[in-house]
Amino acid sequence: GAGVSQSPSNKVTEKGKDVELRCDPISGHTALYWYRQSLGQGLEFLIYFQGNSAPDKSGLPSDRFSAERTGGSVSTLTIQRTQQEDSAVYLCASNPGLAGGNNEQFFGPGTRLTVL
Amino acid sequence: AQSVAQPEDQVNVAEGNPLTVKCTYSVSGNPYLFWYVQYPNRGLQFLLKYITGDNLVKGSYGFEAEFNKSQTSFHLKKPSALVSDSALYFCAVRDWAGGFKTIFGAGTRLFVKA
Repeated sequence: GAGVSQSPSNKVTEKGKDVELRCDPISGHTALYWYRQSLGQGLEFLIYFQGNSAPDKSGLPSDRFSAERTGGSVSTLTIQRTQQEDSAVYLCASNPGLAGGNNEQFFGPGTRLTVL
Repeated sequence: AQSVAQPEDQVNVAEGNPLTVKCTYSVSGNPYLFWYVQYPNRGLQFLLKYITGDNLVKGSYGFEAEFNKSQTSFHLKKPSALVSDSALYFCAVRDWAGGFKTIFGAGTRLFVKA
């Protein structure tokens, strides 16, 4: 079956511009996560959605970052007024959520963001 | 708050030798523990997990991990390393008390030399 997909795969933007990154989770997965992986670094948790509950935004690094999830499925991560330090690979993952709380996460291929 | 530590940035091992990649964690409740692997130019893949039961869990590609509650550790092991095991390995913890938020360690790069 289809896995987690992300688009675009690569995004180059100029400093100060806004960008939107998209994630399509596995069908039926109620939990969706966004992470950031900087070059040579680990995964930094950004935000987590579970069904219709309020998202856990505790990992968002600044108010320039926001995310939404429409209809409990597709999610969009928006970065406003991008800075060079935002350059990283942004990973999305999904999980069955409450239906399978001990399940592993399924990761998308990531979006590589480069801010010039 | 939950946290994960991978004390080694890099582990070097000769092919055929046993390997260990270390992970320690901190949670307020019972932990769900995971290992993931990231091969060059590929996405993150699940290796194995500990939820409950036997402390020794077996996963993909011949890997196993031992849950040690007293030491709050979940070290990844393999009896005989392969060059193809060279990759970036991440330990992750989910605290049931914290919902489904999952925190990842900084990662350990494994180099297996022929």
